[in-house]
Parts: sequence; C-alpha cells; structure tokens
Amino acid sequence: DIQMTQSPSSLSASVGDRVTITCRASQSIRSYLHWYQQKPGTAPKLLMSASSSLQSGVPSRFSGSGSGTDFTLTISSLQPEDFATYYCQQTYSTPDTFGQGTKLEIK
Amino acid sequence: QVQLQQSGPGLVNPSQTLSLTCAISGDSVSSNSAAWSWIRQSPSRGLEWLGRTYYRSKWYNDYAVSVKSRITINPDTSKNQFSLQLNSVTPEDTAVYYCARRNEQTLWFDPWGQGTLVTVSS
Repeated sequence: DIQMTQSPSSLSASVGDRVTITCRASQSIRSYLHWYQQKPGTAPKLLMSASSSLQSGVPSRFSGSGSGTDFTLTISSLQPEDFATYYCQQTYSTPDTFGQGTKLEIK
Repeated sequence: QVQLQQSGPGLVNPSQTLSLTCAISGDSVSSNSAAWSWIRQSPSRGLEWLGRTYYRSKWYNDYAVSVKSRITINPDTSKNQFSLQLNSVTPEDTAVYYCARRNEQTLWFDPWGQGTLVTVSS
C-alpha cells in the first residue's frame, strides 16, 4: 500500500496568515493526489483534485502543487471558516489511502 | 446533483454483522463512470478505505486487505443503492462509516454520505 504522510499534524495560525501543509507519498503517485477539508461532525469535502485543480466553489485563496511524491496545500490568507482538518488522499493505486490529517487551529 | 443518504443501526453487538445502506440520487449505481465506496474513520485508524463496487459490463468489487475476509459490498439496482456488510465485528470496528462516489474519470471522491457512527458494544 502507498503510505501518505502529512506534516505538520497540527498547526496554530491566525486569521490572515499564509499556511502550507505538506503531503508525501511513499512512492510516486504522479498527480493522483486530492485534498479534503473536514469540519467536526461532517464528512470530508473535496477541495482540490489532481494536485492543483480547485473544485467549483472553493475560494481561490486555496492552492495546491506537486507531483510524484511531494505535494503542498497552501492557504494564502486564512479566514475563520478555514479552521478545520485537512487530508490528502492518493488514488493512483488500490487501496486508496489517506494522510493522517492536519488540524488547523486558531492561534 | 448527486447525493448519498446513509442508513443503518448505530449500535452492533460484538461478533455480529454491521450492515449499512447508501441510497443514491442523481446518479446510477450501474454508472460506468463511478465506483461506489465505503470508508471509515476512527481516532486510531484515521480515514480507512474499506472497499468499492462498480459496474463495467459486469459487477466488480475491491476490498481492503485488512477486512477482506469479513466484508461484502453489494449493489442493489432495483433501489439504486449499495450496501456494506462487515461480519464478526469487534470494538475495533467502532468508527464513523461513510459511503462515497469515486469519479472514475478524475478518481476523486465526491460526494460523500453524511456518515454513520457505528459503535460495537454489548
């Protein structure tokens, strides 16, 4: 199975900050990397697909990059509604696997 | 707009069978461009993909190795839904269970069901 490792596991930041979350795959997954946002008590919500394609309705302050094994999710200017847990997921090979999550908290 | 609605019990006795259903609206369980998946989430395991069913001229299933001996995912074309059965459950199977559609062109998971907290306890 392909292991997905996110860093950091948690992050404290303030409204207006720029934050970057990293996801590393244990082997190349090309660009089959997706990012999800999860708020307490709700299902994960697709934010970005194929490493850098923003889903419809997702604010442009979110951006993604990377291919192969190293990927990043950047939020350019944190807003109050962005405080949540973020997960990366690879669908390059079965089983589809997720990172352990990055919890973004208000400083 | 595709929507998934989960149903099933929130409490299961140890050694019994966990059964959940995911009703699909806005798409077909027989779609050639989707795979219908179950994922669970727990503090100890994080988000764990369990398996999927999909139709490509015939029905296929893929299952996670960790549950392969205990899991069945079945489509129900008459009701446009799919189900999860997990046998011989233990407290380690306690988790929030989600159904989701994997778009087979883009390979992302969207949408997801609302989630069902299943507790394994006597």
